[in-house]
This record gives sequence, C-alpha cells and structure tokens, in this order.
Amino acid sequence: EPEVTQTPSHQVTQMGQEVILRCVPISNHLYFYWYRQILGQKVEFLVSFYNNEISEKSEIFDDQFSVERPDGSNFTLKIRSTKLEDSAMYFCASSVPRDSGANVLTFGAGSRLTVL
Amino acid sequence: AQSVAQPEDQVNVAEGNPLTVKCTYSVSGNPYLFWYVQYPNRGLQFLLKYITGDNLVKGSYGFEAEFNKSQTSFHLKKPSALVSDSALYFCAVRDGLRGSARQLTFGSGTQLTVLP
Repeated sequence: EPEVTQTPSHQVTQMGQEVILRCVPISNHLYFYWYRQILGQKVEFLVSFYNNEISEKSEIFDDQFSVERPDGSNFTLKIRSTKLEDSAMYFCASSVPRDSGANVLTFGAGSRLTVL
Repeated sequence: AQSVAQPEDQVNVAEGNPLTVKCTYSVSGNPYLFWYVQYPNRGLQFLLKYITGDNLVKGSYGFEAEFNKSQTSFHLKKPSALVSDSALYFCAVRDGLRGSARQLTFGSGTQLTVLP
C-alpha cells in the first residue's frame, strides 16, 4: 500500500536554528499538507500546497515557516529560527483532490521536533 | 468556522464488549466527517468517512460510525472490541460549504484502551 514517508523521525535542535523536515508524498497525489501536534494537544493544520503554491495556511504558519516542493517527489517544511514552542510532532499528508473536496488525507508517521 | 469536539480523553472497555467513541461537530454547511486512528509511533490512519447518503458508515477493522444531523454527532462504534483496537482515535471535520477551507479540523483525540 502506498505510503507517505517522512524524515527525520526525530530531530533535536537548539533554539534559533533552522530546521528542514522532509516528506515524500504518494506519487499520484496532488495536494500536500503539513499538520502539527504539540504533546497532549490537538492535531493542528499548518498549510496546504497545490500546483506549486500554498493554497491555504493557518495563523500558526507565520513568516518563520515555509514550504517547498524542490523536485517531483519531495515536499519540505522549513522553520527558519526555531522557538521552544515549535517542539511538536509534525505530520505530512497528501491527497488526490476530488470535485466534492471530500478527499481522504494519507498521513506520514511524523517527525518529532525537539527544540532545546 | 468549523470545529469538532471529542468529550472523552479516555475510554476503557473490556474485550468483546461494544465500544463507542464520541464526536460532535460544528460547521456552516454540510459536514464532511472522518475518523482516523493513531497507533504508537505511527501516522494517522484513515478509518472511515461520511460525505452524504446512508447515515451509518462502515469502515476498516469492523468500525462503523453513525451520522446524526440533529445532534451534530458522528460517534465511532464497534460491536465487539479487540485488545488490538487500543489506540488514539481522532474525529475530523471539513465544511462542505462551497468556498470553505479545504483543510480538516481535528478533535483532541480519545485514547481507547481495550482490557483483556
């Protein structure tokens, strides 16, 4: 069964450092997403990406965050200068869009980011 | 705005007994409703969805969910619980109203523990 692959599985970084989280979505999917889950809290939407541009983003996704699809397979989330409160599990997801928009998201296993 | 509530942080049930994990939602238009399950160190796995049609939706691993429009609920059920069903369950909603944001809004999750 096709999977969404995320690397690294766990990253520890110092406050103020840049972090790049990588995702390989399912190959025929066209919509890509990043969500995060702070320990013990809800899964929160960060950003969606379609046709090589951001389609939607939440208020969490400020200027410190950026996304990129540098080639035909990878989808990356960059945090420019990490803060303690960025510590969370970051989930990548992808989907095939349907006319109704009722598309099922397939999630990766997550990348745990710990900011010290 | 769309929102979803899972009123129980923890549900315990004996193996072989029926289980229910509760979810209520709020949207402006018609809801698109989803249940996902998360096993330790794994990503969110899709279980089932309701878009339109029959209020009782059947999904993976013997789970089902009933859409109740008057109560704005979408409770997850299984007639006979297994120990292997123990996991974290997330309800999610998307507003089907044209022009609404495409991303899913997740509940806070319910930890299901099935006791042998």
